[in-house]
Amino acid sequence: DIQMTQSPSTLSASIGDRVTMTCRASQSLSGWLAWFQQKPGKAPKLLIYKTSNLERGVPSRFSGSGSGTEFTLTISSLQPDDFATYYCQQYNGYSGTFGQGTKVEIK
Amino acid sequence: QVQLVQSGAEVKKPGASVKLSCKGSGYTFTSYGMHWVRQAPGQRPEWMGWINAGSGDTKYSEKFQGRVSLTRDTSATTAYMDLSSLTTEDTAVYYCVRIGDSSFHFQYWGQGTLVTVSS
Repeated sequence: DIQMTQSPSTLSASIGDRVTMTCRASQSLSGWLAWFQQKPGKAPKLLIYKTSNLERGVPSRFSGSGSGTEFTLTISSLQPDDFATYYCQQYNGYSGTFGQGTKVEIK
Repeated sequence: QVQLVQSGAEVKKPGASVKLSCKGSGYTFTSYGMHWVRQAPGQRPEWMGWINAGSGDTKYSEKFQGRVSLTRDTSATTAYMDLSSLTTEDTAVYYCVRIGDSSFHFQYWGQGTLVTVSS
């Protein structure tokens, strides 16, 4: 099974900061990598799919990049609504594995 | 618009089984696969299995093989997840997730069903 590892586990930042978090896979993913945002008591919300494709309705301050086994989610200017936990996920047609999450906290 | 509406919270005793439902609307039910994902308190989401809503073909996580069963009723546009031999470690929120319009990313999520296993 493919293992997903995110870093850092917690990230403290201020409004307006540029924020970057990383996701590493135990083997090459061929680009099938997604990012989700989750707030307490809510279902995960898809932000990015296929490494860099922005889901409809997601603000353009979110962007994804990477290849092979290393991927990045960047928030260009952190907004109050962005304080949440972020999960990366590798997926294919039949399954998916999530990372352990990066929690973005107010500094 | 695509909607997935899941059944209500459940409380079960260890050793029991639970059957959850997920009603899809706003799209052609049989054209898209459905995943089931669970999330225990404070933990990452965990993939459990997938069903092709058209053919009924399934694929399960090895962790749950033999204990989970995914089915669907196409006339009711509803998917079901049966989980047996429950333990306290099965306490979690269970989500159904439809794949994407143009690819197989996990695009549409139900609101989740809390299953509590307690003696």
